Amino acid sequence: GAGVSQSPRYKVTKRGQDVALRCDPISGHVSLYWYRQALGQGPEFLTYFNYEAQQDKSGLPNDRFSAERPEGSISTLTIQRTEQRDSAMYRCASSLGPTNEKLFFGSGTQLSVL
Amino acid sequence: GESVGLHLPTLSVQEGDNSIINCAYSNSASDYFIWYKQESGKGPQFIIDIRSNMDKRQGQRVTVLLNKTVKHLSLQIAATQPGDSAVYFCAERVRNNAGNMLTFGGGTRLMVKP
Repeated sequence: GAGVSQSPRYKVTKRGQDVALRCDPISGHVSLYWYRQALGQGPEFLTYFNYEAQQDKSGLPNDRFSAERPEGSISTLTIQRTEQRDSAMYRCASSLGPTNEKLFFGSGTQLSVL
Repeated sequence: GESVGLHLPTLSVQEGDNSIINCAYSNSASDYFIWYKQESGKGPQFIIDIRSNMDKRQGQRVTVLLNKTVKHLSLQIAATQPGDSAVYFCAERVRNNAGNMLTFGGGTRLMVKP
């Protein structure tokens, strides 16, 4: 596609529910990243993939968070048993390759946990 | 829509003036730096980058300066325009065996007065 696409744009859920956030990277981009951005702060690294392999998940806050990219393209970030503190903007980014530093960001999914 | 940064440091400049946005980075081993621009409701957008073996790089109306001695990065925007109004983030690459990971700073809001 023309850019990184994320869906849904907004997600409102009740505490305790599971949510799945989707990212469709730029076509042909090998690397895909998940970040979380709180109001007034820069994006915070969560995890990233090269092709289908999860290279680094050190930024995932706890074991309720997981991500996958089974076919090396679309990725899903799943949050189980959501808590209010999970409310944030979740951003996906992609880059051409593992040594290409320029990350292209999507518009994000705004998650609100009530 | 999304509000990016309610309590960010703010730089207010007159249209046509030059702007200088500063950033202190944390890791002396970082080898690559990027400036991103983020407008309300959008994801961060790449502006310019610089590697640690350089101390200056110029783009169209923008210049990035790197001072590794004091771990300081600056973004200079010439002839600032109303369309430059946004939040600006610097990011450093922390290189590890798995590849790229960008760590973002806290951001500065640039407001351009017509």
